Amino acid sequence: GEDVEQSLFLSVREGDSSVINCTYTDSSSTYLYWYKQEPGAGLQLLTYIFSNMDMKQDQRLTVLLNKKDKHLSLRIADTQTGDSAIYFCAVPHGSSNTGKLIFGQGTTLQVKP
Amino acid sequence: EPEVTQTPSHQVTQMGQEVILRCVPISNHLYFYWYRQILGQKVEFLVSFYNNEISEKSEIFDDQFSVERPDGSNFTLKIRSTKLEDSAMYFCASNNRGEDGYTFGSGTRLTVV
Repeated sequence: GEDVEQSLFLSVREGDSSVINCTYTDSSSTYLYWYKQEPGAGLQLLTYIFSNMDMKQDQRLTVLLNKKDKHLSLRIADTQTGDSAIYFCAVPHGSSNTGKLIFGQGTTLQVKP
Repeated sequence: EPEVTQTPSHQVTQMGQEVILRCVPISNHLYFYWYRQILGQKVEFLVSFYNNEISEKSEIFDDQFSVERPDGSNFTLKIRSTKLEDSAMYFCASNNRGEDGYTFGSGTRLTVV
């Protein structure tokens, strides 16, 4: 079945860049998403990328997509302590962008001052 | 900005009791979902709902679970006879097929004792 995999933990110093990686199996998805979850809170849409793009930049966030390798990454520039959270890669099943979202395990980002 | 509203934010119930979790999706969205997240684990798909019927459900969504859209605005998840292992955060989401995709509510933390 469909699967999404992420590394579980990343620790960086404030001001450094963070790179969170994700691999997935369903190649038919039209959009791919990154969600952020702060402790005890809900899932906040952080950014997304259309499947025919290689890169999308949104302020401090850069999403890279390698469709051939089914690899997605999220880069956070100038990481701040407020960026400490769990980051989920999420890929919809199918091409309609209405199918179930398949989530990765989540990457806990720890930002040290 | 439109949001998905979930109530209650936290519910404690005794094992064997029925619970109803409530959600108000974004008003012009047509696709609705329930997900759950057991503490420290992945976000798991439960069920999707479109055009007043279930479009897909996972193996978790057994006969103890049901969903309903009783009026034009609410979308509910009922668990008939709760078990200890139903303790989790339950997220509702809605979708309009746009690039923003899936908007999640802030979740209901269900604790079964």
